[in-house]
Amino acid sequence: NAGVTQTPKFRVLKTGQSMTLLCAQDMNHEYMYWYRQDPGMGLRLIHYSVGEGTTAKGEVPDGYNVSRLKKQNFLLGLESAAPSQTSVYFCASSQSRDRGDTQYFGPGTRLTVL
Amino acid sequence: RKEVEQDPGPFNVPEGATVAFNCTYSNSASQSFFWYRQDCRKEPKLLMSVYSSGNEDGRFTAQLNRASQYISLLIRDSKLSDSATYLCVVTTPTGRRALTFGSGTRLQVQP
Repeated sequence: NAGVTQTPKFRVLKTGQSMTLLCAQDMNHEYMYWYRQDPGMGLRLIHYSVGEGTTAKGEVPDGYNVSRLKKQNFLLGLESAAPSQTSVYFCASSQSRDRGDTQYFGPGTRLTVL
Repeated sequence: RKEVEQDPGPFNVPEGATVAFNCTYSNSASQSFFWYRQDCRKEPKLLMSVYSSGNEDGRFTAQLNRASQYISLLIRDSKLSDSATYLCVVTTPTGRRALTFGSGTRLQVQP
């Protein structure tokens, strides 16, 4: 099993460009999440999904959209990138509906917006 | 005020030392507690869950004090490979099952 994978690993965008980050998991997990990590801030939740076809806003959703058309994939879109979106983006997934279930993270995507 | 607060460090300790990290959380309704480890430029990985009664995993001991709303991690006999950032993580009773992260405490174990 590959676990959680993310593509691309690195990307440089110009202000105003758009892009989609792909997260894939092969563990048949129900829950999937997108976080961003900035220096001194810790990871912050952008959007999440509790199952195929569902999405919901997290702590910092502005400027991002998501889709979960297939259970194994969770896409994060930036429609018009801004320098404030320069960050490391982590996707995660978890299975159990019980609180405290382990989240498994992908290796991250390093995005720079110029 | 941040929901989860940690001393960013760095904590520089010699091999074999014992080191302790603390973390405080602001939401008294927080339900689950964890320590994650993050190596430089890598993804976070679960180190251990934290239970009210305290729990141990090898050289690592975690404690939870609900009354004071803090969590601790003790590392005994530090190894060079323990050098990493340690993230304090809590969950709160919302439907999303998401994690709230502290900004991390950096540990550097020196030979």
